[in-house]
Amino acid sequence: EAEVAQSPRYKITEKSQAVAFWCDPISGHATLYWYRQILGQGPELLVQFQDESVVDDSQLPKDRFSAERLKGVDSTLKIQPAELGDSAMYLCASTKMGVYNEQFFGPGTRLTVL
Amino acid sequence: GQQVMQIPQYQHVQEGEDFTTYCNSSTTLSNIQWYKQRPGGHPVFLIQLVKSGEVKKQKRLTFQFGEAKKNSSLHITATQTTDVGTYFCAGSNDYKLSFGAGTTVTVRA
Repeated sequence: EAEVAQSPRYKITEKSQAVAFWCDPISGHATLYWYRQILGQGPELLVQFQDESVVDDSQLPKDRFSAERLKGVDSTLKIQPAELGDSAMYLCASTKMGVYNEQFFGPGTRLTVL
Repeated sequence: GQQVMQIPQYQHVQEGEDFTTYCNSSTTLSNIQWYKQRPGGHPVFLIQLVKSGEVKKQKRLTFQFGEAKKNSSLHITATQTTDVGTYFCAGSNDYKLSFGAGTTVTVRA
């Protein structure tokens, strides 16, 4: 069964350092999402891509976060510089098209900022 | 903006008992999805409701979408230890999907 791949699974970094997360969605899924999930809370959308275009990045802290999906397939989320409050699980999800289809989540990247 | 609220935040259930978790939106939703996240895992899709008043069942799970499409519920009968986890509802409107904070379920054997 096809799955969403994410790497790394765990990342420990010091504040002010740069970190990057990678996501490979299910083949053929046009819509890709990056979420941040703080322990005890629901996933919070950071950015949504439709193919290579950003559809929604209204909740992305653009002073330090950036995301790209250059060829409309895999995607990278970057944080520079990392802050203590960025410690969270970063989840990638994909769907065939838009919010009216089920989202398939990857295993996530657990980020710890020291 | 759109907010989706879930209650209760925690549900401690005796094995074999029933329980219900509720999801409420401040705005009318186009659809609502439910996900389950096992401890240490990632959210997994359970179901999607689209129509006003819609009711869907999956074995011991019953999902309902309110008539006004602003609330939803998940009812689990005869709870089992495999039901442990956090259940999230996610409502969409204007092509945005917003997740609730979830109901974390623990089961006493």
